[in-house]
Amino acid sequence: DTEVTQTPKHLVMGMTNKKSLKCEQHMGHRAMYWYKQKAKKPPELMFVYSYEKLSINESVPSRFSPECPNSSLLNLHLHALQPEDSALYLCASSQENGRVAEAFFGQGTRLTVV
Amino acid sequence: AQSVSQHNHHVILSEAASLELGCNYSYGGTVNLFWYVQYPGQHLQLLLKYFSGDPLVKGIKGFEAEFIKSKFSFNLRKPSVQWSDTAEYFCAVNDKGSARQLTFGSGTQLTVLP
Repeated sequence: DTEVTQTPKHLVMGMTNKKSLKCEQHMGHRAMYWYKQKAKKPPELMFVYSYEKLSINESVPSRFSPECPNSSLLNLHLHALQPEDSALYLCASSQENGRVAEAFFGQGTRLTVV
Repeated sequence: AQSVSQHNHHVILSEAASLELGCNYSYGGTVNLFWYVQYPGQHLQLLLKYFSGDPLVKGIKGFEAEFIKSKFSFNLRKPSVQWSDTAEYFCAVNDKGSARQLTFGSGTQLTVLP
């Protein structure tokens, strides 16, 4: 199994809603990531988890709250988002063995904030 | 901080034409280099990677890239493109020190005309 699975694929939410994005991988990877990708732009790193602990937060607003309940799952909790937060949210994972390995990406959740 | 430049924003080729997409990075230390491809509506997939060793690396689907350290470049090539190669191509870098953070270039949209 070399997949990173993200749900839902599409999400429309109002600015007062609370929703969560989910990501799952069963490759035994211990590093997991959230990226944000706007149209026609490259992915931008948001968060990195290593061994279920948050290791990097790229100055992301607190309306985005990540959670890593176990080594296979990564969530992104959303609350009070703004229309400019509409984007493709990508989850990725990689091995965490002290050396660099390539990241495997999910298909993303296309989020629209109305 | 490292940065990645992809100077070609949109490349249009006819089938069977040769392809070269440019990628330059700014970091002066030891880096790992990647090319990812994103087909329409699909997730980012790794085309090839360079960690060390032979600077000419071969990837999937007939793609190859050459790491030229003196030029800080990692250009992607394919001798004969197909219509199915139409996609967005991203060059990405991370430095061996940070180990996790991928910095992406702005991407090149390749359109192959049948």
